[in-house]
Amino acid sequence: DAGITQSPRHKVTETGTPVTLRCHQTENHRYMYWYRQDPGHGLRLIHYSYGVKDTDKGEVSDGYSVSRSKTEDFLLTLESATSSQTSVYFCAISESPRDEQYFGPGTRLTVT
Amino acid sequence: TQLLEQSPQFLSIQEGENLTVYCNSSSVFSSLQWYRQEPGEGPVLLVTVVTGGEVKKLKRLTFQFGDARKDSSLHITAAQPGDTGLYLCAGAQYGNKLVFGAGTILRVKS
Repeated sequence: DAGITQSPRHKVTETGTPVTLRCHQTENHRYMYWYRQDPGHGLRLIHYSYGVKDTDKGEVSDGYSVSRSKTEDFLLTLESATSSQTSVYFCAISESPRDEQYFGPGTRLTVT
Repeated sequence: TQLLEQSPQFLSIQEGENLTVYCNSSSVFSSLQWYRQEPGEGPVLLVTVVTGGEVKKLKRLTFQFGDARKDSSLHITAAQPGDTGLYLCAGAQYGNKLVFGAGTILRVKS
């Protein structure tokens, strides 16, 4: 299994509070991704990174920001959480954008 | 509108039955991947198909990439309860990132 972890695994927070999710890899893969997964929508890309300090938006980036200060860490921040951001968030890594992606175990976020 | 349309969205069958899941698009892909996801876990790659018309077999699972590289199918023979899960297809467009379909939820009852 690829060495990829996510923390926390579960979080409940209140509307309007900031939340940061962490993804950590030990594979030294260049590309890292944040997805959200909701019933009927599959996996939707939020943001991705193609190197340290190099990030770009995905299809559902509004309300989210990311940072990558080290190869192994990719942070996803919800500046002011809303109930529509209740979801399961997955981090993934790959060597190139068209290669197999390895996924973390996911973080279940509930915004009340 | 999803770039990749998967059908059916949900499938509930008895152990031993055969089934086919479809992944369709109007776009051409350089390759297409199939993932399986079990509850509480992240998706795991099953196979990648690259060549138009390609057929790959993985035990009881047969994957096919359409001749025009716009569609793919996954056929499972003699389904077992262990096949239960969410099946996702993901297409790679030339020079771009993967795009995922919405998935097919498969439940195999014993």
